[in-house]
Order: sequence, then structure tokens, then C-alpha cells
Amino acid sequence: DTGVSQNPRHKITKRGQNVTFRCDPISEHNRLYWYRQTLGQGPEFLTYFQNEAQLEKSRLLSDRFSAERPKGSFSTLEIQRTEQGDSAMYLCASSLGVGAHYNSPLHFGNGTRLTVT
Amino acid sequence: QKEVEQNSGPLSVPEGAIASLNCTYSDRGSQSFFWYRQYSGKSPELIMFIYSNGDKEDGRFTAQLNKASQYVSLLIRDSQPSDSATYLCAVSNTGNQFYFGTGTSLTVIP
Repeated sequence: DTGVSQNPRHKITKRGQNVTFRCDPISEHNRLYWYRQTLGQGPEFLTYFQNEAQLEKSRLLSDRFSAERPKGSFSTLEIQRTEQGDSAMYLCASSLGVGAHYNSPLHFGNGTRLTVT
Repeated sequence: QKEVEQNSGPLSVPEGAIASLNCTYSDRGSQSFFWYRQYSGKSPELIMFIYSNGDKEDGRFTAQLNKASQYVSLLIRDSQPSDSATYLCAVSNTGNQFYFGTGTSLTVIP
């Protein structure tokens, strides 16, 4: 178990540019989540995959955001035409997922801190 | 109404004391409850999870769940300065969605 890995750790970009982040989950975990967190707030849900299927996407998520998880392994989150309001910590988490009633915990990566200038 | 509510603090306790952190949630269908610790500039780290009413202990940490009152708490015994962090409460329903509170900032004073 090497943990959830996210790259890059930091990204500084100019407004209007596109950025892409990568997340490698814990190998046996079939669920992968993306969250965004700004200062003083809790993590805000963006999207969620079970294996390669994107099962849910936040209604708050602009269509400038897209995520993929090809082959149910690593995932990428792309933000197109970045805006200053996109500056945040982007967190990836994975989990085993369990049976009908309970969810196993999320395990977070170190995050990617995005700064849009 | 937010799905998960926490007192943002800051909460200050002296070293060696018990820190009590509280969380309420709005969805009665919630089944899974989690506490995460987050140091400044770092990502959340899982401390405990609880599924059933009552208490669950792990070392210096005790999670308490009362589904009837829609209330979950975290007690930290023998608080240490290294416990100073923001504590996030997270709640999940059977829809696989996790909702986080805004966190409570804890400072343990040596």
C-alpha cells in the first residue's frame, strides 16, 4: 500500500490556460473521488468514479472541468480556461467501497495546489 | 441547511486535557461517519470511522455516534501539542457521497 499519489504537488498557471492533474489511487481501491478545498472550508465534492465509470458529478461543477479514469486505474482532472476562482487545493481520494449499507473511508492524496494568476 | 455542521472554533485546551469536537448532520439516511485531521497546508488524514450508535475507541481517540440526535463527536484524551490541527467531520449515505463539515480548529496549549 503506497498510498494515493497526486501530481503535480503545485501548479501555477495564468488565467485562461488549461491544466491537468493526475491521481494514482491505492491499487486495490475501486472508487476514486475528486474534491476541491479552499482556505477555511471543508473539501467540496467534484466527481466520483467506480472503476472506470464516472457515476456522479457535482452540479456546481462548471463544464470547464472534466475528469477521466481510463481502465479504472489512475484518473486525470482537467480544467480548461482557468479562472482565478479556480485557485484551490485539489484533492483526490480513493476507497474500497463496501456492501449495501456502509462506505469504507476515503484515503486522500497529498493534493495539488493550483494558483491561477 | 448544510449537510454537516461543525463549530469552526478555535477550540483551545491545555496539554493533557480532553478535547471534545462535535458535529451534526441533516440526512437521517446517513450510515457512515468519519473524522479526519488536517494540518495546515496538508491533506486530510483519517483518524476514525464509526457506523453504529455508541462509542468506538482507538488509543487516545473516541468517536461517539447518536443517530437519533444526528450527532457525532470525537474525544481526544491526554491532548498533545501535536494534536493541534483542524478536525473534519465527514458523513456518508448509501449513495456513496461523502459530505464534509468546514472543520474545527483545535489548539493544544503546552
